[in-house]
Amino acid sequence: KAGVTQTPRYLIKTRGQQVTLSCSPISGHRSVSWYQQTPGQGLQFLFEYFSETQRNKGNFPGRFSGRQFSNSRSEMNVSTLELGDSALYLCASSLGLAPTTYEQYFGPGTRLTVT
Amino acid sequence: DQQVKQNSPSLSVQEGRISILNCDYTNSMFDYFLWYKKYPAEGPTFLISISSIKDKNEDGRFTVFLNKSAKHLSLHIVPSQPGDSAVYFCAAMNQGAQKLVFGQGTRLTINP
Repeated sequence: KAGVTQTPRYLIKTRGQQVTLSCSPISGHRSVSWYQQTPGQGLQFLFEYFSETQRNKGNFPGRFSGRQFSNSRSEMNVSTLELGDSALYLCASSLGLAPTTYEQYFGPGTRLTVT
Repeated sequence: DQQVKQNSPSLSVQEGRISILNCDYTNSMFDYFLWYKKYPAEGPTFLISISSIKDKNEDGRFTVFLNKSAKHLSLHIVPSQPGDSAVYFCAAMNQGAQKLVFGQGTRLTINP
């Protein structure tokens, strides 16, 4: 069974631009969560989608948004990029919601650099 | 507000000895705790978990201890092996809220 895939793996953008990241979950998984990883903050939860609906949201500004398609693939968009948005963005998929949520399978991440 | 804290950014242990990674949390509503392991250029992988109704869970070389009164959990790895060198994240959740909260991570290095 193929794992979680994220594209692109690396991205360089300029401050003020916008970016879209993509995540394909494991086949059969309906829940997709997004996390931001930075050296000082660890992994911070962005949002979770289940069956095309946002189920949960972390404490990030409205510049961060996402969506999920009927095939469970998810995209994350960041508008008006700031230097502080430079991070590793991780996507995780799971079969369903809690209590099964803990069985999250992570993708390799997209390394975003904002210059 | 960092609800889950891993106060040691790094830890170095000799091969064959015990590695102890620590994690503290502040939210008393957390009722499920997990440890993830992350290698460079890979996403985190689930390692072991513990429910708040238990104080210990063991899986091979890995044991997680939970002290609810101190709001503290620890991961013991015995014996430590070079392949254990990675960044370890502890995470906590309130299963009703369905949201994982991660610590900042501890980089474990196992020296031969």
